[in-house]
Amino acid sequence: ETGVTQTPRHLVMGMTNKKSLKCEQHLGHNAMYWYKQSAKKPLELMFVYNFKEQTENNSVPSRFSPECPNSSHLFLHLHTLQPEDSALYLCASSQMQADHYYEQYFGPGTRLTVT
Amino acid sequence: KQEVTQIPAALSVPEGENLVLNCSFTDSAIYNLQWFRQDPGKGLTSLLLIQSSQREQTSGRLNASLDKSSGRSTLYIAASQPGDSATYLCALKGSRTSGSRLTFGEGTQLTVNP
Repeated sequence: ETGVTQTPRHLVMGMTNKKSLKCEQHLGHNAMYWYKQSAKKPLELMFVYNFKEQTENNSVPSRFSPECPNSSHLFLHLHTLQPEDSALYLCASSQMQADHYYEQYFGPGTRLTVT
Repeated sequence: KQEVTQIPAALSVPEGENLVLNCSFTDSAIYNLQWFRQDPGKGLTSLLLIQSSQREQTSGRLNASLDKSSGRSTLYIAASQPGDSATYLCALKGSRTSGSRLTFGEGTQLTVNP
């Protein structure tokens, strides 16, 4: 596969469940991102990793837990979510060099519904 | 704090029409501006990226302009087609050292009718 892939594409979970979202990039990039897109709201940056180190956490609740085992893979672990967490979760990647982040490439997203 | 506004929120046009989508921003100190396309339930596809030193970028039927002094960018689509139907998002990067942060607008939902 090429580009940025995300699995699953759709996820329905109860408030007490634990699930994980997966993102994989095949572009040789070294920075990866999680975004949240809710209805009627702009995209919100959640987390940024570069070289597997978390560089940004945009005040995200602890029920969202990111993991970046290597520069090609990014996970978002979910537990005890709330209905308002239902949204499209987008992963992106880019090249980062000398503190400069280049153009971001996005995956297709995971549509999450919390019941 | 940078704020990005896109007007209109939705636009419906007949096929073949030329159209302009607008993006305005409150802080003119930007590093670059990017236009994305998003199909329903899908991720973002980058269309054009304009550096702060540039005035416009063109790709096929798309032309994006940037006027930092007035805090505006426009995306011009020539000879629109039904396949252009999507949500168009603009996003700004504040500075070279602002890290990864992009500030997005809420988007314009475009429908091109056959």
